[in-house]
Amino acid sequence: KAGVTQTPRYLIKTRGQQVTLSCSPISGHRSVSWYQQTPGQGLQFLFEYFSETQRNKGNFPGRFSGRQFSNSRSEMNVSTLELGDSALYLCASTKGSSGGRETQYFGPGTRLLVL
Amino acid sequence: AQTVTQSQPEMSVQEAETVTLSCTYDTSESDYYLFWYKQPPSRQMILVIRQEAYKQQNATENRFSVNFQKAAKSFSLKISDSQLGDAAMYFCAFIDGGSNYKLTFGKGTLLTVNP
Repeated sequence: KAGVTQTPRYLIKTRGQQVTLSCSPISGHRSVSWYQQTPGQGLQFLFEYFSETQRNKGNFPGRFSGRQFSNSRSEMNVSTLELGDSALYLCASTKGSSGGRETQYFGPGTRLLVL
Repeated sequence: AQTVTQSQPEMSVQEAETVTLSCTYDTSESDYYLFWYKQPPSRQMILVIRQEAYKQQNATENRFSVNFQKAAKSFSLKISDSQLGDAAMYFCAFIDGGSNYKLTFGKGTLLTVNP
């Protein structure tokens, strides 16, 4: 079974721009969670989508948004980029039916650099 | 709110030796799950081992085992017969057993394996 895939793997943007990252979950998984990893703050939960609906949300400003499509692929968007948005963005997938009982499987991440 | 603490920012071990990474957590939940994830330089987050809080038996996966002390809220990872490929950042993570898909991570421990 193919694992979680994320595109692009690397991205360079300038302040004020917006960016869209994509995540395709493991086949059969319907839940996608997004995390931001920075050296200062570590790994922080952004949000989780299931069946095209956001079910859980972390403590991030409204510039961070996401969506999920009917095939379970998910995108996250960051508008009006700031230098502090430079990070590794990881997504993880699960079947989505048993909450914390399910193990989350991660993709390779998208490294975003904001100049 | 749950917190996860990894008190060892860095650890080193000789190849073929044993090393233990520490993790403590704080929660008022009774139903929860604990994980150790490994993040090598490739940045892919890989599941190492998982422990259900309701299970008294410590989880093992080949050379990896945990010492789960529920009363002390401690969850350490033991790596036996360390190999060069074990070198990575190791993250301890917590999730409650409800419908919340938010993993809470520790800051990580960087493990170096010396030949």
